[in-house]
Formats: sequence, structure tokens, C-alpha cells
Amino acid sequence: AQSVTQPDIHITVSEGASLELRCNYSYGATPYLFWYVQSPGQGLQLLLKYFSGDTLVQGIKGFEAEFKRSQSSFNLRKPSVHWSDAAEYFCAVGAWSPDKVIFGPGTSLSVIP
Amino acid sequence: NAGVTQTPKFRILKIGQSMTLQCTQDMNHNYMYWYRQDPGMGLKLIYYSVGAGITDKGEVPNGYNVSRSTTEDFPLRLELAAPSQTSVYFCASSTGVGETQYFGPGTRLLVL
Repeated sequence: AQSVTQPDIHITVSEGASLELRCNYSYGATPYLFWYVQSPGQGLQLLLKYFSGDTLVQGIKGFEAEFKRSQSSFNLRKPSVHWSDAAEYFCAVGAWSPDKVIFGPGTSLSVIP
Repeated sequence: NAGVTQTPKFRILKIGQSMTLQCTQDMNHNYMYWYRQDPGMGLKLIYYSVGAGITDKGEVPNGYNVSRSTTEDFPLRLELAAPSQTSVYFCASSTGVGETQYFGPGTRLLVL
């Protein structure tokens, strides 16, 4: 069955510390991959996406993600977290059909000043 | 450019009541989606549309209906509200399959 897991429900980091959010997927073929961020009371906003090519993808707000086919992972990273990064982060995977996009359960990030 | 707008922001319904959640986008996107978000569950697709006059079911369509008479609007209808429909509802749009989805701010619905 197709699925997306985000093993960490909640993560707390200090401002200025590095961050890695994990995403693992189970899919029939290599899907396209997304990371979205949701600030409190807001809709989701795309951080970055991967379709093919270079496995290290750069996104907005200083985020990057690395696709590792052998591990079926697409982890999100940021070298130095800012207080404004506190939000909910969703990994999503999909194929070439509108109803085949699967969202992970999300990871809530708290940032300590 | 307002993007994707949703109304209302919040609503309380009694069991058995009906309502329509409105969604409008001004980006001329062909694809539109309705999701529900429940705590710890991620987003589940309710219905989607690939263009005016074309709609299809997603993962959790039961208890909902949609229509797409124009490119801009994609309303979601709840006919007989049930407590299980308490959730946050998001509308989104995109230019096509695999493209970035742009989300509205959401509608929080409470069914009592």
C-alpha cells in the first residue's frame, strides 16, 4: 500500500540550531515529492519539490531536501533555524494523477528563542 | 492576486443541517481540490476537478458533493452534517498534475 510516514510528531530545537525532518514513503514507482509548511491558522505553502535530476533540492526560506531512492526517504533540512520557522511541516508524495497525492501526518516544529 | 479564498472561516453546524463551503481562485488554474485535515492524520482528498464541468471522487467523498460550473469556483456541499465531518477543510488549486498546489486559508467546521 502507498504511504507516507513522518516519524517525528513533534520536534523542538533552539534558534540557530540545525534541523532535519524525516520523511519516508512507500510507493509503487518513484513518485514526485513535496514538502509543505503550514503556519498556525494558515493554509499550506510549498517549500520545495522533487521530480527528477539532482537529488538535492533547494527551496524557499533556506530549506533543502535530499531524495535517497535506496532509503525511500526525502528528508528536509535547514542549517540554522529561525523562530519564524515554528510551524507544521508536511511531506507529500504523488504520481501522475490528481487523486494519487498522499500527505504525511505532519511534524510540528517548535523553536526555543 | 488573492490566490485561493475560502468562506466561511469558521462554522458550527447542528447534526443534519446542510451547508456549502465556498472556494474561489483567481489564478486561472484548471485543477482544484478539496481536502480535510484531522489532527495527526495529514490531509485527505475529498473531491477534485480537472476543469469546469469535470469532478471526481478522492479518498473520502462520502457525505460530500461538489460542482464546478466555472474555472474559478469549486464549492463543497455537506447535505446532512454528521459529527464525523468536524474537521478543517482546505481548498487548493494547481495548473496540472504534479504541479504546486496553492492552498486557501481553510474553513474550520464543528458539527454538534
